[in-house]
Amino acid sequence: DTAVSQTPKYLVTQMGNDKSIKCEQNLGHDTMYWYKQDSKKFLKIMFSYNNKELIINETVPNRFSPKSPDKAHLNLHINSLELGDSAVYFCASSQYRDRGPKNIQYFGAGTRLSVL
Amino acid sequence: KNQVEQSPQSLIILEGKNCTLQCNYTVSPFSNLRWYKQDTGRGPVSLTIMTFSENTKSNGRYTATLDADTKQSSLHITASQLSDSASYICVVSEGDKIIFGKGTRLHILP
Repeated sequence: DTAVSQTPKYLVTQMGNDKSIKCEQNLGHDTMYWYKQDSKKFLKIMFSYNNKELIINETVPNRFSPKSPDKAHLNLHINSLELGDSAVYFCASSQYRDRGPKNIQYFGAGTRLSVL
Repeated sequence: KNQVEQSPQSLIILEGKNCTLQCNYTVSPFSNLRWYKQDTGRGPVSLTIMTFSENTKSNGRYTATLDADTKQSSLHITASQLSDSASYICVVSEGDKIIFGKGTRLHILP
Protein backbone atom coordinates (compact mmCIF):
# COMPACT_ATOMS: atom_id res chain seq x y z
CA ASP A 1 0.00 0.00 0.00
CA THR A 2 3.03 2.25 -0.56
CA ALA A 3 1.87 5.70 -1.65
CA VAL A 4 4.81 6.67 -3.89
CA SER A 5 6.98 3.80 -5.03
CA GLN A 6 10.19 3.91 -7.02
CA THR A 7 12.14 1.15 -8.67
CA PRO A 8 14.86 0.16 -8.47
CA LYS A 9 16.00 1.15 -4.98
CA TYR A 10 19.65 0.79 -5.98
CA LEU A 11 21.19 1.10 -9.42
CA VAL A 12 24.87 0.53 -10.16
CA THR A 13 26.01 0.99 -13.72
CA GLN A 14 28.94 2.03 -15.85
CA MET A 15 29.58 5.36 -17.50
CA GLY A 16 27.98 5.70 -20.89
CA ASN A 17 25.08 3.35 -20.20
CA ASP A 18 21.40 4.28 -20.49
CA LYS A 19 19.12 3.57 -17.54
CA SER A 20 15.56 4.21 -16.40
CA ILE A 21 13.98 4.76 -13.00
CA LYS A 22 10.27 4.18 -12.56
CA CYS A 23 7.83 5.91 -10.25
CA GLU A 24 4.22 5.20 -9.46
CA GLN A 25 1.81 6.87 -7.04
CA ASN A 26 -1.51 5.47 -5.85
CA LEU A 27 -2.70 8.64 -4.12
CA GLY A 28 -4.74 9.91 -7.05
CA HIS A 29 -2.55 13.01 -7.26
CA ASP A 30 -2.38 15.16 -10.35
CA THR A 31 1.24 16.29 -10.06
CA MET A 32 4.48 14.33 -9.92
CA TYR A 33 8.09 15.40 -9.54
CA TRP A 34 11.65 14.20 -9.85
CA TYR A 35 14.30 15.49 -7.46
CA LYS A 36 18.04 14.89 -7.28
CA GLN A 37 19.85 14.74 -3.93
CA ASP A 38 23.59 14.97 -4.32
CA SER A 39 26.36 13.90 -1.97
CA LYS A 40 26.07 17.20 -0.09
CA LYS A 41 22.43 16.33 0.61
CA PHE A 42 20.98 19.24 -1.36
CA LEU A 43 17.63 18.38 -2.87
CA LYS A 44 16.98 20.02 -6.21
CA ILE A 45 13.90 19.75 -8.34
CA MET A 46 14.47 18.45 -11.85
CA PHE A 47 11.04 18.06 -13.42
CA SER A 48 7.38 18.35 -12.60
CA TYR A 49 4.40 16.95 -14.48
CA ASN A 50 0.75 17.82 -14.01
CA ASN A 51 -1.74 15.46 -15.64
CA LYS A 52 0.98 14.18 -17.98
CA GLU A 53 1.99 17.71 -18.96
CA LEU A 54 5.48 19.03 -18.24
CA ILE A 55 5.19 22.13 -16.04
CA ILE A 56 8.66 22.47 -14.53
CA ASN A 57 11.91 21.74 -16.31
CA GLU A 58 14.87 23.04 -14.38
CA THR A 59 18.29 23.35 -15.93
CA VAL A 60 18.96 19.68 -16.39
CA PRO A 61 21.11 18.10 -19.12
CA ASN A 62 18.99 16.85 -21.99
CA ARG A 63 20.39 13.39 -21.30
CA PHE A 64 17.61 13.27 -18.70
CA SER A 65 14.18 12.70 -20.18
CA PRO A 66 11.05 12.26 -18.07
CA LYS A 67 8.11 10.35 -19.44
CA SER A 68 4.59 10.29 -18.02
CA PRO A 69 2.40 7.62 -19.62
CA ASP A 70 -0.46 8.55 -17.28
CA LYS A 71 -0.86 10.79 -14.27
CA ALA A 72 -0.01 7.97 -11.85
CA HIS A 73 3.39 7.30 -13.41
CA LEU A 74 6.46 9.42 -14.04
CA ASN A 75 9.56 7.64 -15.26
CA LEU A 76 13.04 9.09 -15.65
CA HIS A 77 15.31 7.95 -18.43
CA ILE A 78 18.98 8.88 -18.40
CA ASN A 79 21.18 8.53 -21.47
CA SER A 80 24.96 8.31 -21.57
CA LEU A 81 25.38 8.24 -17.80
CA GLU A 82 28.25 10.27 -16.34
CA LEU A 83 30.07 10.04 -13.02
CA GLY A 84 28.39 13.25 -11.86
CA ASP A 85 24.98 11.66 -12.22
CA SER A 86 25.68 9.58 -9.11
CA ALA A 87 23.10 10.71 -6.55
CA VAL A 88 19.83 9.71 -4.94
CA TYR A 89 16.82 10.45 -7.13
CA PHE A 90 13.49 11.03 -5.43
CA CYS A 91 10.08 10.90 -6.97
CA ALA A 92 7.25 12.83 -5.32
CA SER A 93 3.61 13.58 -5.91
CA SER A 94 1.09 16.18 -4.78
CA GLN A 95 -2.58 16.89 -5.29
CA TYR A 96 -2.08 20.29 -6.89
CA ARG A 97 0.47 21.94 -9.15
CA ASP A 98 0.96 25.13 -7.17
CA ARG A 99 3.35 25.78 -4.31
CA GLY A 100 0.64 26.86 -1.87
CA PRO A 101 0.55 25.68 1.75
CA LYS A 102 -2.19 23.15 1.09
CA ASN A 103 -0.10 21.36 -1.50
CA ILE A 104 1.82 18.68 0.41
CA GLN A 105 4.37 16.64 -1.48
CA TYR A 106 4.75 12.96 -0.71
CA PHE A 107 8.12 11.46 -1.51
CA GLY A 108 9.19 8.01 -2.54
CA ALA A 109 12.03 6.20 -0.78
CA GLY A 110 14.57 7.19 -3.42
CA THR A 111 16.76 5.44 -5.97
CA ARG A 112 20.46 5.46 -5.23
CA LEU A 113 22.30 5.66 -8.54
CA SER A 114 26.02 4.91 -8.62
CA VAL A 115 27.86 5.45 -11.88
CA LEU A 116 31.24 3.71 -12.06
CA LYS B 1 25.42 31.26 -1.08
CA ASN B 2 22.24 29.22 -0.76
CA GLN B 3 19.08 31.19 -0.24
CA VAL B 4 18.10 28.84 2.60
CA GLU B 5 20.71 28.30 5.29
CA GLN B 6 20.27 25.87 8.16
CA SER B 7 22.16 25.52 11.39
CA PRO B 8 23.67 23.66 13.00
CA GLN B 9 24.91 21.30 10.32
CA SER B 10 24.66 18.43 12.79
CA LEU B 11 23.54 18.04 16.38
CA ILE B 12 23.87 15.30 18.96
CA ILE B 13 21.65 15.25 22.05
CA LEU B 14 20.55 12.75 24.66
CA GLU B 15 17.17 11.09 24.49
CA GLY B 16 14.53 13.07 26.37
CA LYS B 17 16.23 16.44 25.83
CA ASN B 18 14.81 19.31 23.79
CA CYS B 19 16.51 20.93 20.83
CA THR B 20 16.01 23.74 18.36
CA LEU B 21 17.05 23.81 14.73
CA GLN B 22 17.43 27.07 12.81
CA CYS B 23 16.61 28.13 9.27
CA ASN B 24 17.46 31.52 7.79
CA TYR B 25 16.34 32.45 4.32
CA THR B 26 16.77 35.28 1.85
CA VAL B 27 14.07 34.12 -0.55
CA SER B 28 11.77 36.94 -1.61
CA PRO B 29 8.88 37.15 -2.23
CA PHE B 30 8.05 34.48 0.23
CA SER B 31 5.13 32.10 -0.20
CA ASN B 32 5.46 29.47 2.50
CA LEU B 33 8.02 27.62 4.58
CA ARG B 34 8.05 23.90 5.26
CA TRP B 35 9.98 21.63 7.54
CA TYR B 36 10.62 18.06 6.41
CA LYS B 37 12.03 15.07 8.26
CA GLN B 38 14.18 12.70 6.25
CA ASP B 39 15.10 9.37 7.82
CA THR B 40 18.24 7.67 6.52
CA GLY B 41 17.51 5.91 3.27
CA ARG B 42 14.01 7.36 3.02
CA GLY B 43 12.31 10.25 1.30
CA PRO B 44 11.44 13.49 3.13
CA VAL B 45 8.18 13.62 5.08
CA SER B 46 6.35 16.89 5.66
CA LEU B 47 6.20 18.05 9.30
CA THR B 48 4.84 21.59 9.14
CA ILE B 49 3.85 24.19 6.57
CA MET B 50 3.56 27.90 7.41
CA THR B 51 2.55 30.90 5.36
CA PHE B 52 3.97 34.36 6.01
CA SER B 53 1.01 35.22 8.25
CA GLU B 54 1.59 32.30 10.62
CA ASN B 55 3.99 32.54 13.55
CA THR B 56 3.86 29.00 14.84
CA LYS B 57 2.66 25.56 13.84
CA SER B 58 2.79 22.37 15.86
CA ASN B 59 2.80 18.71 14.93
CA GLY B 60 2.99 16.59 18.06
CA ARG B 61 6.38 17.17 19.69
CA TYR B 62 7.50 19.32 16.76
CA THR B 63 6.83 23.06 16.88
CA ALA B 64 7.90 25.36 14.08
CA THR B 65 8.09 29.14 14.42
CA LEU B 66 8.38 31.76 11.73
CA ASP B 67 9.48 35.39 11.83
CA ALA B 68 8.83 36.73 8.35
CA ASP B 69 10.37 40.09 9.25
CA THR B 70 13.77 38.66 10.12
CA LYS B 71 13.33 35.75 7.68
CA GLN B 72 14.04 33.16 10.30
CA SER B 73 12.35 29.92 11.24
CA SER B 74 13.05 27.38 13.93
CA LEU B 75 11.98 23.83 14.58
CA HIS B 76 11.76 22.88 18.24
CA ILE B 77 11.67 19.23 19.22
CA THR B 78 10.42 18.46 22.70
CA ALA B 79 11.33 15.38 24.73
CA SER B 80 13.38 13.85 21.93
CA GLN B 81 13.09 10.18 21.10
CA LEU B 82 15.50 7.84 19.36
CA SER B 83 13.21 7.86 16.33
CA ASP B 84 13.82 11.60 15.95
CA SER B 85 17.30 10.79 14.61
CA ALA B 86 17.08 12.07 11.05
CA SER B 87 17.85 15.02 8.81
CA TYR B 88 15.54 18.00 9.09
CA ILE B 89 15.18 20.07 5.98
CA CYS B 90 13.83 23.61 5.72
CA VAL B 91 12.14 24.41 2.40
CA VAL B 92 11.05 27.85 1.25
CA SER B 93 8.67 28.48 -1.64
CA GLU B 94 8.97 31.57 -3.80
CA GLY B 95 6.32 31.69 -6.47
CA ASP B 96 6.90 28.59 -8.57
CA LYS B 97 10.28 27.84 -7.06
CA ILE B 98 11.02 25.53 -4.18
CA ILE B 99 14.38 26.08 -2.49
CA PHE B 100 15.73 23.44 -0.13
CA GLY B 101 18.14 23.96 2.72
CA LYS B 102 20.98 21.53 3.19
CA GLY B 103 19.42 20.13 6.33
CA THR B 104 20.47 19.56 9.93
CA ARG B 105 21.52 16.05 10.82
CA LEU B 106 20.15 15.21 14.30
CA HIS B 107 21.43 12.27 16.32
CA ILE B 108 19.62 11.17 19.47
CA LEU B 109 21.71 9.12 21.87
CA PRO B 110 20.16 6.70 24.40
